[in-house]
Amino acid sequence: RKEVEQDPGPFNVPEGATVAFNCTYSNSASQSFFWYRQDCRKEPKLLMSVYSSGNEDGRFTAQLNRASQYISLLIRDSKLSDSATYLCVVKWTGGFKTIFGAGTRLFVKA
Amino acid sequence: SQTIHQWPATLVQPVGSPLSLECTVEGTSNPNLYWYRQAAGRGLQLLFYSVGIGQISSEVPQNLSASRPQDRQFILSSKKLLLSDSGFYLCAWSGGSSYNEQFFGPGTRLTVL
Repeated sequence: RKEVEQDPGPFNVPEGATVAFNCTYSNSASQSFFWYRQDCRKEPKLLMSVYSSGNEDGRFTAQLNRASQYISLLIRDSKLSDSATYLCVVKWTGGFKTIFGAGTRLFVKA
Repeated sequence: SQTIHQWPATLVQPVGSPLSLECTVEGTSNPNLYWYRQAAGRGLQLLFYSVGIGQISSEVPQNLSASRPQDRQFILSSKKLLLSDSGFYLCAWSGGSSYNEQFFGPGTRLTVL
């Protein structure tokens, strides 16, 4: 089993749609969780951290379920500019080990 | 504000040639520094990380090495490149008030022929 697993997609959605991505992780000692966005041939950029109580940043909502070991990202009112690959990231407790998922590709169509 | 630089942006090298990629960070002191590789269509693979000058931890044994000669400088090297070394090399930093989040440089796209 991979340490961090994501549905590779692609997800093809129309503008204005709501889309959700899930990510599962295998190490229960994982400490910190993040979502990054990566545009084609560019570096990953931090989208948001994921907190235990869930958190929201504009159209983006992140949730963490420690019992089931998954995190999710919800994008509401999708924009064309949301088209990118979304990377789920898990950091292990007590060290610098950071595991990146392979990413989920999103295409938002006009 | 902090910025991170990498160069060169692209590189085409023959098999068996040496490699040196450089990464520098501005606007922060004593950052944690990381080297990642992303193969085409794949996720990021952590290669090395460093918590201080001269302190390097290797995550994946291979023909690459890393050095940190100065606080904000991180270098990735190879004596002899392999075809399998092709990929997108990314340097990242963390530390200061954002201990856990990592911030990436623009990357170096390496093609080994």
